[in-house]
Amino acid sequence: DQQVKQNSPSLSVQEGRISILNCDYTNSMFDYFLWYKKYPAEGPTFLISISSIKDKNEDGRFTVFLNKSAKHLSLHIVPSQPGDSAVYFCAAGKGGATNKLIFGTGTLLAVQP
Amino acid sequence: NAGVMQNPRHLVRRRGQEARLRCSPMKGHSHVYWYRQLPEEGLKFMVYLQKENIIDESGMPKERFSAEFPKEGPSILRIQQVVRGDSAAYFCASSPRTSGSYEQYFGPGTRLTVT
Repeated sequence: DQQVKQNSPSLSVQEGRISILNCDYTNSMFDYFLWYKKYPAEGPTFLISISSIKDKNEDGRFTVFLNKSAKHLSLHIVPSQPGDSAVYFCAAGKGGATNKLIFGTGTLLAVQP
Repeated sequence: NAGVMQNPRHLVRRRGQEARLRCSPMKGHSHVYWYRQLPEEGLKFMVYLQKENIIDESGMPKERFSAEFPKEGPSILRIQQVVRGDSAAYFCASSPRTSGSYEQYFGPGTRLTVT
């Protein structure tokens, strides 16, 4: 069962505009959520995270919003740059003895110059 | 400050051979995780280890796969008698697991091809 879903396999945005990447989850027990960026043939790079007790976290051009009632989070990138073109994964985890992350299937973002 | 190191970056094995994948965590990190990414899929958790201990192996196939993180040296993911379905990218991540910290930092991955 897919507990973390990214329903848009791809997204194309013009340089300078806002990119909005979406992620839905089914397990209300998740304590935290993370976004990773991945280039081909490289490992995922951590971007930004948010605890389940917050609804927004901002770091430079990246902002993550969490809507717990809708079990939905989104990553906003403003302004988008061509170097942002990559696959973006959202991931979720629970506290406790394990720290395993459950990943979505990713969204390929293409930022057009 | 070196990041997570994985080697080899690429590994080709024939069916039935053994594959050994190595991971050195970031300096100061004592928690290691292994994930597998099959083509066109997201990353799937395999195992979580601390030094000399397996904490969670709920994502590991029951047979042919094993992992260790000895007191000295890198973490090793071992796949015995590889089959074509084992072809994938294997990523290692590490974290300091201090209170309030849950980010995991990934290595570049090992791409295993079984012929």
